[in-house]
Amino acid sequence: SQQGEEDPQALSIQEGENATMNCSYKTSINNLQWYRQNSGRGLVHLILIRSNEREKHSGRLRVTLDTSKKSSSLLITASRAADTASYFCATDQGIYSSASKIIFGSGTRLSIRP
Amino acid sequence: EAGVTQSPTHLIKTRGQQATLRCSPISGHTSVYWYQQALGLGLQFLLWYDEGEERNRGNFPPRFSGRQFPNYSSELNVNALELEDSALYLCASSRDRFNYGYTFGSGTRLTVV
Repeated sequence: SQQGEEDPQALSIQEGENATMNCSYKTSINNLQWYRQNSGRGLVHLILIRSNEREKHSGRLRVTLDTSKKSSSLLITASRAADTASYFCATDQGIYSSASKIIFGSGTRLSIRP
Repeated sequence: EAGVTQSPTHLIKTRGQQATLRCSPISGHTSVYWYQQALGLGLQFLLWYDEGEERNRGNFPPRFSGRQFPNYSSELNVNALELEDSALYLCASSRDRFNYGYTFGSGTRLTVV
């Protein structure tokens, strides 16, 4: 079963608005990552937040992590047409590297209307 | 630096045949990860190789196998292809996934007819 579940599954907003996507997970994690995928191509790593961090920024991206609620959110501010893509959260679970792997959620499809 | 490269870009096979997909990680990255992404779905973890050894495996049947070569490139083999194996297969490498995450290739689109 998937570790991370994104919400909403699809989001359509006007260019210039902010977009917020949420991710929930089930077990303890080492870190949580967000990726973007354009049109069924490879994924692009956006940001990584460690389990002992609560918030992280990168350009127009802001990620929060609440380990007590096992949830994370990705905020994209001042959206642009080029932000249209699918966004995935991924959790790196497990304590021992030999047993752990990164688990991806099913993604949020973001559409930016001009 | 060159990114993660995958070949071929597209592959069409007949049910029952075997498919071989290849991946070259970023120079200096010793770990290679394989994921399957069926159309419109999320990524399912397949295999993790590090230093030539299989470190972890997802919930896939034994007909999905692979290996990692001394130069850290990797091969994914799928035997006895089934229609539901049609998917985008993504390879990723990492220098330190606990701090930097993955770098993905553009994938191989496998179609089984």
